[in-house]
Amino acid sequence: QVQLQESGPGLVKPSETLSLTCGVSGYSISGGYYWGWIRQPPGKGLEWIGSIFHSGTTYYNPSLKSRVTISVDTSKNQFSLKLSSVTVADTAVYYCARNQGDIGSTIGRVDYWGQGTLVTVSS
Amino acid sequence: SYELTQPPSMSVSPGQTARVTCSGDALPKQYAYWYQQKPGQAPILVIYQDTERPSGIPERFSGSSSGTTVTLTITGVQAEDEADYYCQSADTSDTYVVFGGGTRLTVL
Repeated sequence: QVQLQESGPGLVKPSETLSLTCGVSGYSISGGYYWGWIRQPPGKGLEWIGSIFHSGTTYYNPSLKSRVTISVDTSKNQFSLKLSSVTVADTAVYYCARNQGDIGSTIGRVDYWGQGTLVTVSS
Repeated sequence: SYELTQPPSMSVSPGQTARVTCSGDALPKQYAYWYQQKPGQAPILVIYQDTERPSGIPERFSGSSSGTTVTLTITGVQAEDEADYYCQSADTSDTYVVFGGGTRLTVL
């Protein structure tokens, strides 16, 4: 069974960089699929942040692209998110996820989700 | 930027049929997916490739597509189906993943 687990600070100061890691068990990241990050502000909807392939190919949400970096460490079977220059608007539950592509859809659907981790941006 | 549009909320009585719509210009060219999310939980996939149901999802959940609109149908709604439902797809360039704003389904 594929399992994903987010880890990282739950509190980040404004203007600093949010850093999260997603540990994957039950499947080797090198085996394929895209791996991504999705967030959900309190009481609001889901927002895709970006996804990465094990080769390092990345796709980012255009609205966040200038501040986002997603990287992968196949030796540790994990991938990471960095979001720079955060503001209170970046307060959200952050989910890591496995994406399963379809014909004509490179990233595709989310078939496995992490449990999510709340990151609060506050001084 | 590309958007998927869903009604914010809807309500149905137990046993009735709920139809949740999602509209987007790229939907004729890109698959749509549907997720169910209950409070405090991660979403779960209930429909993929517009109409397919993952294993373990009850048969009362179905999906359909017509032009720029996709629809999630729940036939014989049960109290446990009360949740937020999100559609997801991609833009025509297939590089940008987008979620609809979500529909809160209330079972009266």
